[in-house]
Amino acid sequence: GQNIDQPTEMTATEGAIVQINCTYQTSGFNGLFWYQQHAGEAPTFLSYNVLDGLEEKGRFSSFLSRSKGYSYLLLKELQMKDSASYLCGGGRTTDSWGKLQFGAGTQVVVTP
Amino acid sequence: DTAVSQTPKYLVTQMGNDKSIKCEQNLGHDTMYWYKQDSKKFLKIMFSYNNKELIINETVPNRFSPKSPDKAHLNLHINSLELGDSAVYFCASSQGSGLDSYNEQFFGPGTRLTVL
Repeated sequence: GQNIDQPTEMTATEGAIVQINCTYQTSGFNGLFWYQQHAGEAPTFLSYNVLDGLEEKGRFSSFLSRSKGYSYLLLKELQMKDSASYLCGGGRTTDSWGKLQFGAGTQVVVTP
Repeated sequence: DTAVSQTPKYLVTQMGNDKSIKCEQNLGHDTMYWYKQDSKKFLKIMFSYNNKELIINETVPNRFSPKSPDKAHLNLHINSLELGDSAVYFCASSQGSGLDSYNEQFFGPGTRLTVL
């Protein structure tokens, strides 16, 4: 993706924790989204961070540091159904409203 | 109830043909989008309409023409299809139209286009 970097693939075992990092060029970025996409399906919204810090939603948490251009998605107590691609994306204040740029996605493989 | 629906789900066609993909949302959202996801899984914005007005028009060939007859529908017509157009096309919608604000986008199931 344009100016957004995330690892290509991560593997973890059921019940473990995985942290997916995302870095981006800070200039003009206006918050960061995380979406989950199972193979052959549509992306679904997980979280949106606009302020620095950690936001927790059940087993999933997302963190943002705007000054460092860094975000991560933390998946706890991994389940087999968490095997999916996780897309990091954001919008720039200099772009048209609603325009999001996404990273290439991180494929998370959960093994038994 | 389906929130964002697209038809067809699969589309297989020959090079040079013209085809359309339709999208409808029943969420009452003001903004709709077309994305292209290629084989490398990059999800790229193509177009966006807000209340039937074009607001995002990325650098795509002019063979691609969106049309929004009303704010619940956004169709995509593609002329003279090429091999490189093979991809999954996602429609999405979101609420609101405020500057510097972002809302969750709801994606349709996707249309897998294969050009032979």
